[in-house]
Amino acid sequence: EAQVTQNPRYLITVTGKKLTVTCSQNMNHEYMSWYRQDPGLGLRQIYYSMNVEVTDKGDVPEGYKVSRKEKRNFPLILESPSPNQTSLYFCASSLALGHTGELFFGEGSRLTVL
Amino acid sequence: QKEVEQNSGPLSVPEGAIASLNCTYSDRGSQSFFWYRQYSGKSPELIMFIYSNGDKEDGRFTAQLNKASQYVSLLIRDSQPSDSATYLCAVNVYGNNRLAFGKGNQVVVIP
Repeated sequence: EAQVTQNPRYLITVTGKKLTVTCSQNMNHEYMSWYRQDPGLGLRQIYYSMNVEVTDKGDVPEGYKVSRKEKRNFPLILESPSPNQTSLYFCASSLALGHTGELFFGEGSRLTVL
Repeated sequence: QKEVEQNSGPLSVPEGAIASLNCTYSDRGSQSFFWYRQYSGKSPELIMFIYSNGDKEDGRFTAQLNKASQYVSLLIRDSQPSDSATYLCAVNVYGNNRLAFGKGNQVVVIP
């Protein structure tokens, strides 16, 4: 089954404790992206990657890191999480973003930072 | 001005009626426009995309694009309770490298 898999789906952590949210897709997509979704603010892009070893900042990259060592994986790293990073996070991938704009989203990871 | 704006509040429509959603965008160079649907507690899914001025129909959904006015709309005909969701407008920006999303419009179809 074609899918984007994120883990963990739910996480409660404390300020300053490093965490990684993993994302993996099995569709051989070159484009991958991370979004956060907050009430009243909508979906905002954190980072995106056009291909392996190519990443770039989105709208709200502060406090986040990413890496793209393999085509299928695009982990999101919070080196020192803070309460303002409490959010719902979505990983997404696309075969040809510029053409159809179809992003395939993972199920989301709800993160709470205390 | 935000890249993509959806300003309408929640929209309640009777079953069988037409739901109309609007979206404006700021980047006049934008070439592609999309509507995603997001059910409560779920991830967004693409329902329509449009590139050219005019209307594009897909089943009960019609997307309308007016590049001169920088305006995109979505019509849902014969609304069904299963259409109750949040609808997100998205625009391809920065040379096709990313999608910018509006905040979304919630639609509630009343049986």
